[in-house]
Amino acid sequence: DTGVSQDPRHKITKRGQNVTFRCDPISEHNRLYWYRQTLGQGPEFLTYFQNEAQLEKSRLLSDRFSAERPKGSFSTLEIQRTEQGDSAMYLCASSPASGASSDTQYFGPGTRLTVL
Amino acid sequence: AQKITQTQPGMFVQEKEAVTLDCTYDTSDQSYGLFWYKQPSSGEMIFLIYQGSYDEQNATEGRYSLNFQKARKSANLVISASQLGDSAMYFCAMTAPYGNNRLAFGKGNQVVVIP
Repeated sequence: DTGVSQDPRHKITKRGQNVTFRCDPISEHNRLYWYRQTLGQGPEFLTYFQNEAQLEKSRLLSDRFSAERPKGSFSTLEIQRTEQGDSAMYLCASSPASGASSDTQYFGPGTRLTVL
Repeated sequence: AQKITQTQPGMFVQEKEAVTLDCTYDTSDQSYGLFWYKQPSSGEMIFLIYQGSYDEQNATEGRYSLNFQKARKSANLVISASQLGDSAMYFCAMTAPYGNNRLAFGKGNQVVVIP
């Protein structure tokens, strides 16, 4: 039983650098979500894919952030020109696509980003 | 928009005792889902339990039960027979089916189980 995986688990970068994170969802799940969690807070929604289509983006997702899911399987989240305020845990989750509120989202282990 | 409120300070619980974590929510949707997740220090969010807004019975999953009071808009989590491995942050979250099922989370409750 393969769960959601994320890579890397930790990333330390200097301000101004670009970083890219990868998420591999559970194989039969069509929906994929990205969340960001800062210290002492609950996760906040960033963006959502159904198959390869990006259907929703939060206002939190500035133009420095871009996400893709080119073949409807894995997804990447890129942050350009990183800022110290981007330091956070980036969580990926996946769920089936029936649309029922009972569709539980299963999370990966997260990528912890530190911007120096 | 959905809003989740978790305001309890950190809690210390004796091993084998029960603990109740409070969660209140606000939504204008009639159909929604309520979830609890556990986040240990490793960072992964682990699904614990789900309650649908139209479910008449409270959800239970092993040692976890959800005390759902719809009129009061509360969805408290009860953990029975606490174990040392229950020490973690616990997050209440909700979705609405017409919002792409994105989750709105509360700020979490810290639980420390002591032997």
